[in-house]
This record gives sequence, structure tokens and C-alpha cells, in this order.
Amino acid sequence: GDSVTQMEGPVTLSEEAFLTINCTYTATGYPSLFWYVQYPGEGLQLLLKATKADDKGSNKGFEATYRKETTSFHLEKGSVQVSDSAVYFCALRKGTGGFKTIFGAGTRLFVKA
Amino acid sequence: EAGVAQSPRYKIIEKRQSVAFWCNPISGHATLYWYQQILGQGPKLLIQFQNNGVVDDSQLPKDRFSAERLKGVDSTLKIQPAKLEDSAVYLCASTPPLLTSYEQYFGPGTRLTVT
Repeated sequence: GDSVTQMEGPVTLSEEAFLTINCTYTATGYPSLFWYVQYPGEGLQLLLKATKADDKGSNKGFEATYRKETTSFHLEKGSVQVSDSAVYFCALRKGTGGFKTIFGAGTRLFVKA
Repeated sequence: EAGVAQSPRYKIIEKRQSVAFWCNPISGHATLYWYQQILGQGPKLLIQFQNNGVVDDSQLPKDRFSAERLKGVDSTLKIQPAKLEDSAVYLCASTPPLLTSYEQYFGPGTRLTVT
């Protein structure tokens, strides 16, 4: 069945370091891909999305490119801040079957000052 | 615009007891979801409603879990009887009625601890 695999955490970085969180997916058809972020004590929020191959989603300095050939959607940020400390979830959503969203296990990011 | 509301935020019960969670989605959002998020895992869909009809409940443990969405607005999720493995955060989410609405809007969740 469809699935999402993302790198295990926690990831610990110093402020202003470069961030990459790997995400790969398995799915039939043409899913849309997402990154959600969960700050401590809050619900999940959409960070960025890409709806077709080669699309680049971006928001708040974060970017991810939909790579169909490698079935990947890696999250990157050039310079992280302490306020980026959170759990990041990669997810896919398909148009069939009621738009079900499948989430990865999440990657916790700690950013040190 | 008000977000998705959930209550209670925290609940501690003993195994074999029953519990109910409430969700009020964003006004006008036709689709409502309940997810179970076990510690260290991503959210897993339990049930999806379109207005007040069930679209997908394939992963809902129907012997102990039930959910309803009366009048296509608020929803309740019930567990009866609870087991230790039901300890998790229960998330409610909603989406607008358009087919191209990709984003799900999540509530803060209810953290359930079963002892």
C-alpha cells in the first residue's frame, strides 16, 4: 500500500546551520506531497505542498521539490533558527479514495542557540 | 477565522472505562477527520466524514470505537471500553468543500492516557 518514510530523529543543529530532512514515498498514481509542522503543544500546520512532479513548495525559508524519479520530497532550509524546533511530518494525499492523507512518522528537530 | 476546536485537551482514564472527545471544525468545512497519533508515530486516520456521511472508516476499531457527526458540523469520537494501547493524541482536522482543497486544518488534539 501507499506509505511515507522519513529520516529518524531527533536532528540537533546549531542556529544558522543547514537543514535537510529526507522523505521518500511509495504510492500508485500521482499523489500530492506535503510537509506539516507541529510546534510544542500545538496541532499540525501545513508548512508547504507540491501537487505535481518537479513542483517546488516553499514557505518560511523552507523548500522541498517533488522528485518523481526518486520518489522523494526532501525538506531543506538554509539557515535554521531556534524557533524552528518542532516535529516535521512528510505526507502524501491522493485524489482517489476520499483524499486520504498518509503521514510519515515525523522527525523531531532541535535547534540550539 | 476560528480554528478547529477540540475538547478536552487532556484525559486520564482507567482501562475498561469509556471516554468521549468532541470536535468543532472550521465553519463551512464539509470534510472532517479523526486521527490517532501514538507517541513517536505519525497521525493515522480513524474515520473521515463528508458532511454527516462516513467516507472512510476502514481503520476504525469498530468493536470499541465509534464516531458520529450530527447535522454535518460537530463530531464526537467515543472509546468504550478503553485499552492501554489507546493511549495517544486524538486529532481532529477539517477541510473546505472544494475538491482541490489540499490543506487539512488540525485542532490541538486531545491527549488520552489509559492506566
